[in-house]
Amino acid sequence: NAGVTQTPKFQVLKTGQSMTLQCAQDMNHEYMSWYRQDPGMGLRLIHYSVGAGITDQGEVPNGYNVSRSTTEDFPLRLLSAAPSQTSVYFCASSYLLADLGEQFFGPGTRLTVL
Amino acid sequence: AQSVTQPDIHITVSEGASLELRCNYSYGATPYLFWYVQSPGQGLQLLLKYFSGDTLVQGIKGFEAEFKRSQSSFNLRKPSVHWSDAAEYFCAVGARGTDKLIFGTGTRLQVFP
Repeated sequence: NAGVTQTPKFQVLKTGQSMTLQCAQDMNHEYMSWYRQDPGMGLRLIHYSVGAGITDQGEVPNGYNVSRSTTEDFPLRLLSAAPSQTSVYFCASSYLLADLGEQFFGPGTRLTVL
Repeated sequence: AQSVTQPDIHITVSEGASLELRCNYSYGATPYLFWYVQSPGQGLQLLLKYFSGDTLVQGIKGFEAEFKRSQSSFNLRKPSVHWSDAAEYFCAVGARGTDKLIFGTGTRLQVFP
């Protein structure tokens, strides 16, 4: 199993550009989520999904869109990048927490917005 | 809403010394509790978790944590730290009935030889 994979590993954008961060998992996990990690802020939940076709907002959803068309994939879209979105982004997956799920994390994507 | 506080931003210990990292949570009922470790440039790895039952939880790499309901705490401990334990440690809380996981701001551990 590859676990949770994220692409790209690094990305530099200009303000106003759009892009999609890719996340895939091969563990048949229902639950997938996106976090951003900023110095002194820990990890903050952006969006999450409890299954294909179901998504919901986390703590910091503004400026980000998600969709979940398959169990395996959970892309994160930045429609118009802003410098405040410079961060490291982590995707995670698990069986549902109610089923005693452990979240497995991808290696992260480091995004810089100029 | 649930929240997590890790009061220590940075801790330095000597190799072989004991370690305790503090975590306090706010939640109206018994939460799910987790400790994760992040090595430099890496993703997060689960050290241990508490869902119910025995309040002393054993994890990987010789770590343990104790759930204390009266103090709303879930402190991480290790009796003898190794240089390879240098990393950032995150406590997290999950609310029963939801699937959101809320992380603390992390504690960076530095280990001196």
